[in-house]
Amino acid sequence: EAQVTQNPRYLITVTGKKLTVTCSQNMNHEYMSWYRQDPGLGLRQIYYSMNVEVTDKGDVPEGYKVSRKEKRNFPLILESPSPNQTSLYFCASSLTGAIEQPQHFGDGTRLSIL
Amino acid sequence: GDSVTQMEGPVTLSEEAFLTINCTYTATGYPSLFWYVQYPGEGLQLLLKATKADDKGSNKGFEATYRKETTSFHLEKGSVQVSDSAVYFCALRGHTGGFKTIFGAGTRLFVKA
Repeated sequence: EAQVTQNPRYLITVTGKKLTVTCSQNMNHEYMSWYRQDPGLGLRQIYYSMNVEVTDKGDVPEGYKVSRKEKRNFPLILESPSPNQTSLYFCASSLTGAIEQPQHFGDGTRLSIL
Repeated sequence: GDSVTQMEGPVTLSEEAFLTINCTYTATGYPSLFWYVQYPGEGLQLLLKATKADDKGSNKGFEATYRKETTSFHLEKGSVQVSDSAVYFCALRGHTGGFKTIFGAGTRLFVKA
């Protein structure tokens, strides 16, 4: 089954404790991205990757890091989480970065930073 | 920059009622337009898309037409069901800003039996 898999689905942690949210897709997609969803704001892009070893900032990159060492994986790293990063996070992928390509989303990771 | 504006919710309808969710956009060039649906506890799923002016996307009884002259992509369904209760996001993907998808704030739909 074609899918985007995120882990963990839920995480409660404390300020300053490094965490990683993993994302993996099995569709051989080139383009991957991370979004955060906050009430009334829709989804905002954090980082994206056009292909292996190619990443760039989205609209809200502060406090986050990513890497793309393999085509299928695109982890999101919070080096020193803060309460304002409490949110619902989605990983997404598309075959390419072409604008007619829809994105496929994971089921989300709900992070609570205390 | 590019942006999407959609009607605020929640929208509450009775089963078999007609649904319209308004969406307008601002973009340079000719973006692709999408409607995504999010059911509780799940990620977003593509509902329909249109890639050029006057294209009509359709799926599961939902329709939306890409109107370049009014920069709109309104979502419609002739007869909603309880199972259509979800959050609906209008989105565009254009040539600026790293080919990202830009989303509206979402419209929550409740359908009563």
